[in-house]
Amino acid sequence: NAGVTQTPKFRILKIGQSMTLQCTQDMNHNYMYWYRQDPGMGLKLIYYSVGAGITDKGEVPNGYNVSRSTTEDFPLRLELAAPSQTSVYFCASSYVGQGGTDTQYFGPGTRLTVL
Amino acid sequence: AQSVTQLDSHVSVSEGTPVLLRCNYSSSYSPSLFWYVQHPNKGLQLLLKYTSAATLVKGINGFEAEFKKSETSFHLTKPSAHMSDAAEYFCVVSDYSGNTPLVFGKGTRLSVIA
Repeated sequence: NAGVTQTPKFRILKIGQSMTLQCTQDMNHNYMYWYRQDPGMGLKLIYYSVGAGITDKGEVPNGYNVSRSTTEDFPLRLELAAPSQTSVYFCASSYVGQGGTDTQYFGPGTRLTVL
Repeated sequence: AQSVTQLDSHVSVSEGTPVLLRCNYSSSYSPSLFWYVQHPNKGLQLLLKYTSAATLVKGINGFEAEFKKSETSFHLTKPSAHMSDAAEYFCVVSDYSGNTPLVFGKGTRLSVIA
C-alpha cells in the first residue's frame, strides 16, 4: 500500500492563478480530509468527505473547492490564489465505521507559496 | 463543540530525562483523543489514540498517555527522551458532534538536548 499520496510536493503560484492539489489513497477509506498548516497554528480543516459524492465544509473553506467522484481521489481546487493561502496542505484519510472515529493517515504534504 | 489546548508551545528536555507534554480537552460527548508527531518537513504520524477502552494508552517509541476524565486531560509522557524524539507533537480530539470531525491543538515543539 502506498497509503496517502499527494502531488505536487512544492508549488509557487502568482496571485490570481488557480491550481489543483491532488490526493489519492489506496486503503479503501471512506473519509478523506484536507487541512492547511500555518506556522504555530496547528492544522485547520478545510473540507472533508464522508464518501464518494459527499463533501462538507470544515473550519476554513473559503477560497477552496473540492470534489469526490471516487473513493480513492479527493482533489482540492484553489481558484484565484491569494497570499493568505500560502501554507502547507495535508490530505488525510480514515475509515469511520459504526464505532466512530478511526485513525487518520496523512500524506506527506504540499508546500504552496503564493506571490 | 470540542476543543483542545496544548499548555506548552515549547518543551526542552535533556536526553535520558522524562518527557511530559500537556493537553486539556473540551467535549460534549465521549471523545476520541489522539497524539500525532510531526518531524521537520514531514507529514503527521499517529503516536497513540484513546477510544474509551483502557484509560492508559501505550503508543509507539515508548510514549504513553493517560485519559483523565475528571481533569479533562490527556497528557503525553515518555520515561526517557531520545534525540530522535525532537519534533512537533499535536493533541487531537474528536467526537463527531459538529461539522469538524477532528480538532487539532496548536502543537508543542519538543527539543532534546544532548
